[in-house]
Amino acid sequence: QQKVQQSPESLSVPEGGMASLNCTSSDRNFQYFWWYRQHSGEGPKALMSIFSDGDKKEGRFTAHLNKASLHVSLHIRDSQPSDSALYFCAARGNTGGLSGKLTFGEGTQVTVIS
Amino acid sequence: EAAVTQSPRNKVTVTGGNVTLSCRQTNSHNYMYWYRQDTGHGLRLIHYSYGAGNLQIGDVPDGYKATRTTQEDFFLLLELASPSQTSLYFCASSDAGSAETLYFGSGTRLTVL
Repeated sequence: QQKVQQSPESLSVPEGGMASLNCTSSDRNFQYFWWYRQHSGEGPKALMSIFSDGDKKEGRFTAHLNKASLHVSLHIRDSQPSDSALYFCAARGNTGGLSGKLTFGEGTQVTVIS
Repeated sequence: EAAVTQSPRNKVTVTGGNVTLSCRQTNSHNYMYWYRQDTGHGLRLIHYSYGAGNLQIGDVPDGYKATRTTQEDFFLLLELASPSQTSLYFCASSDAGSAETLYFGSGTRLTVL
C-alpha cells in the first residue's frame, strides 16, 4: 500500500473557483509535508511546505495539516489556468538532521476550465 | 533558483541494452536523488547520495546502479535494460538539513523496446 495517498485522482475547477486536494499518510513517523506542482513537460517544483498543525497560507494557496489524523490538504483559491498541473503530496519522517528520502503520493491532476 | 540539468532528454534502447542517465547540479547541494515517475505510482526513489562517493539505496533500486563522481554529478546506470524500466526519470538535489526542498531537473524519458 502506498504510504502517501492522494485524492481525488483528478479534479476540474472553473476559473476563479476553489480547488481542494487531499493527502493522507499511513506512516505515523511522517512529520514533514510538502506540496509539489508539475506542469506538463517539466520537473516537479516545490509549492509549499507545512510542518506544524494548522493552516499555512502563501498567496492563493493554503495548506492545512492535522498530524493526529495524518491528513494534509491544499486549497487553491481563485484558480487560474496556470494552476492546471499535476500536484504531488510528499512526506518524510524526522531523520535527525540528515536529508531523508521523500515519499510521494500518486498525484492529483488539476484542470482549470476557462 | 537551483539548477539541475539532465541528459539526454529522451532515450530509446532495446531490451538488454546499456544506458547511462546523467545529472549535474550547480548549486553546491550535498544531496542528490534519482526518481522514476509512472502513472498511478507517482514519484518513486531509486537511489540517492549524500556526497561524492556516497550512495544510498532507495525504494525501487532493483535493476539500477548509481554513481556520484563529484559534488555536482550523479549518474544512473541501467546495465541490462528491461521494458519495465520504461519510465520518466528525474534527478533532484537539495541542501543539508531536515526542512530542505528538492529541486528537480526536467527529466529523461526512457523507452526500452
